[in-house]
Amino acid sequence: AQSVTQLDSQVPVFEEAPVELRCNYSSSVSVYLFWYVQYPNQGLQLLLKYLSGSTLVKGINGFEAEFNKSQTSFHLRKPSVHISDTAEYFCAVSEKTGTASKLTFGTGTRLQVTL
Amino acid sequence: DTGVSQDPRHKITKRGQNVTFRCDPISEHNRLYWYRQTLGQGPEFLTYFQNEAQLEKSRLLSDRFSAERPKGSFSTLEIQRTEQGDSAMYLCASSLGSGRLNEQFFGPGTRLTVL
Repeated sequence: AQSVTQLDSQVPVFEEAPVELRCNYSSSVSVYLFWYVQYPNQGLQLLLKYLSGSTLVKGINGFEAEFNKSQTSFHLRKPSVHISDTAEYFCAVSEKTGTASKLTFGTGTRLQVTL
Repeated sequence: DTGVSQDPRHKITKRGQNVTFRCDPISEHNRLYWYRQTLGQGPEFLTYFQNEAQLEKSRLLSDRFSAERPKGSFSTLEIQRTEQGDSAMYLCASSLGSGRLNEQFFGPGTRLTVL
């Protein structure tokens, strides 16, 4: 079984400032890692994913994340946020083996960008 | 638009009534997932289908819940004798396969309110 921990439930930040949203996971097998964004009253949109290879992955809207196997982390970063980045961000994992491939999500981090 | 669609977007019902939700996945996707998201939480896996076969069900899916995907295309999720604790957003997702192909695309969700 796997679990995902997002330690920060809310992150307030000023526009154009950098931001990091933290994600740690636990799993007995190798996993794929994902970040999704959810805007109010909408479904989830994939920001980026780590499958294998380079540990630094780039996603949409200027976001990037770095996979750190030793620390079992997959933190999301953006060097300069915009008001439109205000949303809920979810980190998720799925097992590399087996048939299920279901996603296990963290509890989410609310990013609030202000002027 | 060839994304995942869900119907209805909102449903208000009285305790004890039955409700049914529909999900239309992306047309070539053979995998379909249902998740439930309660307020302030990340989505939680309920069940998934590969084509018409229901391959896994979460313990969250009590015997009041049933899901079908009769021809391997659209899916329905029925909740019988609804309870107030069933109030949540029900999300549907689809993917092309498992492992590296398991990028799940989410629909906008059906928000259920049980009075």
